[in-house]
Parts: sequence; C-alpha cells; structure tokens
Amino acid sequence: TQLLEQSPQFLSIQEGENLTVYCNSSSVFSSLQWYRQEPGEGPVLLVTVVTGGEVKKLKRLTFQFGDARKDSSLHITAAQPGDTGLYLCAGAIEYSSASKIIFGSGTRLSIRP
Amino acid sequence: EAGVTQSPTHLIKTRGQQATLRCSPISGHTSVYWYQQALGLGLQFLLWYDEGEERNRGNFPPRFSGRQFPNYSSELNVNALELEDSALYLCASSFVGSGSTLGTDTQYFGPGTRLTVL
Repeated sequence: TQLLEQSPQFLSIQEGENLTVYCNSSSVFSSLQWYRQEPGEGPVLLVTVVTGGEVKKLKRLTFQFGDARKDSSLHITAAQPGDTGLYLCAGAIEYSSASKIIFGSGTRLSIRP
Repeated sequence: EAGVTQSPTHLIKTRGQQATLRCSPISGHTSVYWYQQALGLGLQFLLWYDEGEERNRGNFPPRFSGRQFPNYSSELNVNALELEDSALYLCASSFVGSGSTLGTDTQYFGPGTRLTVL
C-alpha cells in the first residue's frame, strides 16, 4: 500500500515567521503536485514538480522535489495570514499494470496576525 | 477559461435517501475524478472516469456509483445514504492525452458539493 505522509499535521505560527512542511513516501513518483485548500472550497493547484532535485518558486513559496523523487518540501518565507489553509501533496505513481495519484492527508496551516 | 464546476453547492438529505451530484470538467479534459473529504480529513479517492468508462474505483461500497456522459460531464450517485456519508465531495478533471499513462495527469478541482445527511 502506497502512503504519502505529510508533516506536521497542524502548524500555527506568527505572521512573518518562516516554515517548512514535508511530504514523504517510500514510493517513487513520476510527478508531485502541491495544492492549497481553503475551508469549504476545492483544492487549488500550486505547483507540479517532475524532475528529481527540482526547485520551483512561487513568490514566497519554495517547492523542492527530492533527488530520489520520493519526497518533497514546501517552504514559506515570511508567512502571511493569507497563507492559512490546508496544504495537500499528491504524487503520481506509474507502473506497468496500473497507475494512480495518491494524496497525503494534508498539513493544516494557521498564520496568526 | 472556465474551471471545473459542481452542483449543487450544498445538499441536505435524510438517511436512506439517494443523492446525485454533478460535475462539469474543464473544456478539453476527458477524465473526471471523484473524491470524498470528510471534515478535517484528507481526500479519499472514489471513482475515475475517462472517455465515458469507469477506469478505477476506490475502496467504497457499491452504493457509490456514477457515470460519465458523452460531453465528459459526470454524475456521482450515492444510494441508501448513511450519516457517515456527510462530507465534501470533490470533482477533479484532467487531460489524458494519447501516450499518457492513465490517471496521472495533473488534476484540477471544482469547489465541491457539501452533502449533509441527517
């Protein structure tokens, strides 16, 4: 059974602080997506990473795909209240007989003003 | 370009009734995925349709079913509703081009349907 573990599950920090959330698995992913979901809404795609070691930046958000394509991190610099939400990672696994995308359980982030 | 749309936004049913949820994918997307997200939990995969056929199914009972129409829109039906079916039901769509490994293209989500079973 493939699992995608996200840590921490919950994080509450002060505005202006930096933070990193992690997405780990024993499976190798062909690609990995990060989403942010606000209460009562659907997840919104933030980024897709494909190449091992790849780093992508989206304003104050930095996404990194592990060299072995088994893990990923999301680093937020100078967090703002608007960053509050549920951050989900999703990994795509491709193999000969089947293929699928699995989602992590999410990191719930709260930024205090 | 319009995103994934879902209807209704909210749905209230009583135990034992049936619920029908609808989803329209992004134009050009042929795959539709359904997920259940119970309060405070992650996404649980329900169903995946592509080109009108069911391609994969999550670990849910048969009373969860659906279909995909020729225009690629989709319905999710939940029969004999139970209290624990109360959740946000999310639909996502993706483009599965020729040569792509099925089911692994980036998914774009709709806003969800909040189903409450009383």
